[in-house]
Amino acid sequence: KNQVEQSPQSLIILEGKNCTLQCNYTVSPFSNLRWYKQDTGRGPVSLTIMTFSENTKSNGRYTATLDADTKQSSLHITASQLSDSASYICVVSVGSNYQLIWGAGTKLIIKP
Amino acid sequence: DAGVTQSPTHLIKTRGQQVTLRCSPKSGHDTVSWYQQALGQGPQFIFQYYEEEERQRGNFPDRFSGHQFPNYSSELNVNALLLGDSALYLCASSFGQSDYEQYFGPGTRLTVT
Repeated sequence: KNQVEQSPQSLIILEGKNCTLQCNYTVSPFSNLRWYKQDTGRGPVSLTIMTFSENTKSNGRYTATLDADTKQSSLHITASQLSDSASYICVVSVGSNYQLIWGAGTKLIIKP
Repeated sequence: DAGVTQSPTHLIKTRGQQVTLRCSPKSGHDTVSWYQQALGQGPQFIFQYYEEEERQRGNFPDRFSGHQFPNYSSELNVNALLLGDSALYLCASSFGQSDYEQYFGPGTRLTVT
């Protein structure tokens, strides 16, 4: 069964600190993995998209890594800001049929 | 360049009623996908429209139906509303039936009482 699991479910850190969010997937055949940021009550916004051959990808203070062998991905946020408070969702695309498997997300809260 | 737009923003309906949600894709996009997101959960794929036809469908009952117009805009219809249909409904657009560059709208918050 195609699944995407994220951890932790929620995380609270102080402004300025770094954090890492985890994503494990059991999806076959793998096409690509993306991370989205979703503010409460708003649509998700794409942060990064990685294909099988990409190990790391950055978007400003966000850096995503992908280990296709262990089927794990992480999203590292550097020097967190209050505006980083949101849910971060890991999504894996299956094969060529455009099916997306969504994780439940990690709710990140940045405190001043 | 307008992004994906959805209307209405919020909607309150009574159990058993019918509802229609609307989506206009980002300029240059021709594919629209609809998602249901319950509170605290990740989005669940409902269906995708391309060339005015439903191309893919998630695990949703026939009460959920849709339509895509020649200008690529789309509607999501839900009949016989249940309390469990209360959710944020997201529309996402992309080009050429691919979801690689998928842009999401702000969503419509549907509350069923």
